Amino acid sequence: KNQVEQSPQSLIILEGKNCTLQCNYTVSPFSNLRWYKQDTGRGPVSLTIMTFSENTKSNGRYTATLDADTKQSSLHITASQLSDSASYICVVTSNTNAGKSTFGDGTTLTVKP
Amino acid sequence: EAQVTQNPRYLITVTGKKLTVTCSQNMNHEYMSWYRQDPGLGLRQIYYSMNVEVTDKGDVPEGYKVSRKEKRNFPLILESPSPNQTSLYFCASRTPGGVNTGELFFGEGSRLTVL
Repeated sequence: KNQVEQSPQSLIILEGKNCTLQCNYTVSPFSNLRWYKQDTGRGPVSLTIMTFSENTKSNGRYTATLDADTKQSSLHITASQLSDSASYICVVTSNTNAGKSTFGDGTTLTVKP
Repeated sequence: EAQVTQNPRYLITVTGKKLTVTCSQNMNHEYMSWYRQDPGLGLRQIYYSMNVEVTDKGDVPEGYKVSRKEKRNFPLILESPSPNQTSLYFCASRTPGGVNTGELFFGEGSRLTVL
């Protein structure tokens, strides 16, 4: 069964600090992995996409990594800001079955001043 | 502005009273889907549509219906809502380019309460 597991479930950090969120998946065959940011009460918005051949991709202060061998991804947030407080969802898409996407439960990040 | 629009955003209804949540996208995307989000369970797919007149069940389709008569609209229908359908619902459409690159664009969500 395709699964996506994220850790930690929640995280509290001080403004300006860095943090790393983890995503492990068992989705096969693998097509791509996206990290989404979901602000409270809003729809998720894509931050990055990782395909099989990519190891690292950055989007401003967000850097995603992918290890396709161990089926792990991480999202590193640098110099956190209050506006980074949100839920971060890892979504892995299969290469079959109409491109079905499997969602992780998300990591809730709280950045405190 | 490219967007996915859902209505209503908030709704309180009673058990058994049929309701429809509308979803419309202005990006000419072929793929659209519905999700529900419950605390501790993440986003779960209800139904999806690969194109006009083509719909298929997701992971949790029981108690829901959909239709795709035109590309831009993908309404979610609850024929006889029950309290366990109280949830936050999201509609999404996906960019073309095949499964390798498709990005999901989500609506703002519809919070439904069934009493």
